Amino acid sequence: AQSVSQHNHHVILSEAASLELGCNYSYGGTVNLFWYVQYPGQHLQLLLKYFSGDPLVKGIKGFEAEFIKSKFSFNLRKPSVQWSDTAEYFCAVNARRKNTGFQKLVFGTGTRLLVSP
Amino acid sequence: AAGVIQSPRHLIKEKRETATLKCYPIPRHDTVYWYQQGPGQDPQFLISFYEKMQSDKGSIPDRFSAQQFSDYHSELNMSSLELGDSALYFCASSLGGARNSPLHFGNGTRLTVT
Repeated sequence: AQSVSQHNHHVILSEAASLELGCNYSYGGTVNLFWYVQYPGQHLQLLLKYFSGDPLVKGIKGFEAEFIKSKFSFNLRKPSVQWSDTAEYFCAVNARRKNTGFQKLVFGTGTRLLVSP
Repeated sequence: AAGVIQSPRHLIKEKRETATLKCYPIPRHDTVYWYQQGPGQDPQFLISFYEKMQSDKGSIPDRFSAQQFSDYHSELNMSSLELGDSALYFCASSLGGARNSPLHFGNGTRLTVT
């Protein structure tokens, strides 16, 4: 079964600092990779996704992530964070089942980011 | 654009009561997923449906059941509620037949069991 690990549970940064959140997954087959963001009191929103092609994926709000297949990683980055980036960030993996064609999304435990002004 | 609609937004129930959560997927989406997110925790997969059939089952208690109807909306029925059932329940939808269809989440239903 697939699993997702996010090693940083809490990150505190000052505005304009650079951000990198780690995400590793374990699954031997073909995967789709996602980062979701959850702002305080709100629902999960898709930040960016990787399906195939260029391993460097650009998302909304200046975020990007790089898929490194050899390391089973999909780290999220942003060159300069803003106070409004304070939120919880979830990495997720979607593995397609061959027979049913069904996609199941598995989340990491999340990283709580606090950006101080 | 239309999004995933969940109702109610908030629900307060007492122990041992029952609750029904509803989810209306994005139009033409045929797959629905239910997730439970406890306070300060990551979303945990409960159950999913594809074309009105249960397609996968996660950590859903036996006290819970769910189904997907002909119009693709889904209902999560929860009985004999316990304090530990207090959580945010998310529904998500996708186009199951499309390999690269991401999940779109609703705003969630916050269930409080007292």
